[in-house]
Amino acid sequence: QLQLQESGPGLVKPSGTLSLTCTVSRGSISTSRYYWGWIRQPPGKELEWIGSVHYDGSTYYNPSLNSRVTMSVDTSKNQFSLRLRSVTAADTAVYYCARPVAPNNDAFHIWGLGTLVTVSS
Amino acid sequence: QSALTQPPSASGSPGQSVTIPCTGTNSDVGGYNYVSWYQQYPGKAPKLVIYEVFKRPSGVPDRFSGSKSGNTASLTVSGLQADDEADYYCSSYSGNDMGVLFGGGTKLTVL
Repeated sequence: QLQLQESGPGLVKPSGTLSLTCTVSRGSISTSRYYWGWIRQPPGKELEWIGSVHYDGSTYYNPSLNSRVTMSVDTSKNQFSLRLRSVTAADTAVYYCARPVAPNNDAFHIWGLGTLVTVSS
Repeated sequence: QSALTQPPSASGSPGQSVTIPCTGTNSDVGGYNYVSWYQQYPGKAPKLVIYEVFKRPSGVPDRFSGSKSGNTASLTVSGLQADDEADYYCSSYSGNDMGVLFGGGTKLTVL
């Protein structure tokens, strides 16, 4: 069964850049037509889709975060990454990486455990 | 305010059925058959229970069912069990270049 694992700093300073990596195991990130996603959840609040990236590098982002987000894929490491610039306390959340149930689908079926990122000085 | 509207809470007794609505617009829920539902326990990652309005991933019991009418999708949990007590989120693809939308979540309590 495919597994996903988020990694990265748990603390980021305001105005800094949040950088997270999702490592895919027991499967290949290069499976055609899957868009790999990032979703976040502030403490006690609802889920928010951040964006999704294909192994060929194509992306689509949440318009509300579009100006601050960059996603990329490293097929040699079987990883995909998230960078969120100019963070504020409002970006404090548990960040999840996930894969959809099927290609060309946005229903996220396989999830990482999530990693809490706190924005604070 | 969330893009998709869900009631903050719902409840039912063991063995009963409960239905959770999710209201959007004709640009998302009403316009596409890409509505999903997630179950989430505290401190855990969400679990997909319904996708494409009514389909169940492998391993999800048929007590979970989904439907849609107009701009409102619904998740019905039949034969309520204690471990159905969790938060439930709906999600939909949006055609206004908004990507993926989530609802505010519904806390289901099994009385």
